[in-house]
Amino acid sequence: EVQVLESGGGLVQPGGSLRLSCAASGFTFSTYAMSWVRQAPGKGLEWVSGITGGVGITYYTDSVKGRFIISRDNSKNTLYLQMNSLRGEDTAVYYCAKVPSEWLSYAWAFDIWGQGTKVTVSS
Amino acid sequence: QSALTQPPSASGSPGQSVTISCTGTSSDVGGYNYVSWYQQHPGKAPKLMIYEVSKRPSGVPDRFSGSKSGNTASLTVSGLQAVDEADYYCSSYAGSDNLVFGGGTKLTVL
Repeated sequence: EVQVLESGGGLVQPGGSLRLSCAASGFTFSTYAMSWVRQAPGKGLEWVSGITGGVGITYYTDSVKGRFIISRDNSKNTLYLQMNSLRGEDTAVYYCAKVPSEWLSYAWAFDIWGQGTKVTVSS
Repeated sequence: QSALTQPPSASGSPGQSVTISCTGTSSDVGGYNYVSWYQQHPGKAPKLMIYEVSKRPSGVPDRFSGSKSGNTASLTVSGLQAVDEADYYCSSYAGSDNLVFGGGTKLTVL
C-alpha cells in the first residue's frame, strides 16, 4: 500500500525549532517529488515547500523562506522539514504529500497524503 | 501571493449536480493548466479528485469533473451522494515555483 506517515509535531515556543519527518512506503520514493502542505486550525490549505525526486531541488513559499529547510534521505525513504524561528502563524497541521512525478514542476498536484502532524507555536 | 477565490458554501440534493468555482488571475488559473481539486472530510487528510484541470486519478468516480474557462476553474459533482459532503479546495500553479490554494468550499448534500 502506498502511504506516507508524518511525525515530529508538538508544542514549541516562539523562536524555537522543530523537525518533522515523513516516512514513505509502497512506492519508489527517490523517483517522486514530495511536498509539505499545512492547514491552520479552522483554515484552508497552504502549500509550504517541495523537493524534487532525485536531484533534490527545493521550493518554498515566501513566508517560510530562510526559516524552513526541506530535505530528503532517499536511502531511508524519508522526507524532512526543519522549521526554525517558528512563529505563532506557523501553528497548523502539517501534511506530507507525494507528487505524481519526479519533478514538482511537471505536476503541482499531490496524490498521496499523510494524516498530518500537529505543530503548535505558543508560549 | 493571494489565495484563489471559492464560494464558502455550496449545496444540492441527492442525485443533483453542483458546480464549485475557483477564480484566480491570468498569473495562476488563467496562465497554467496545473489546476487541482481536493476533497477533505472533517478530521481527514485531503484527497486528490482532479489534476491538470480535468484529469481524474484512478479510483475517483466519473461523477467528478473539472474544467477551466479564462481565469476560473470549476469542479462539477454529478449525481450527488451523501458521501460527497465535504470541503473542497482548488489549487493552481502561480508561477515562480509557487502554488496557491483556494479558501475552500463546504459542500452540503441536502
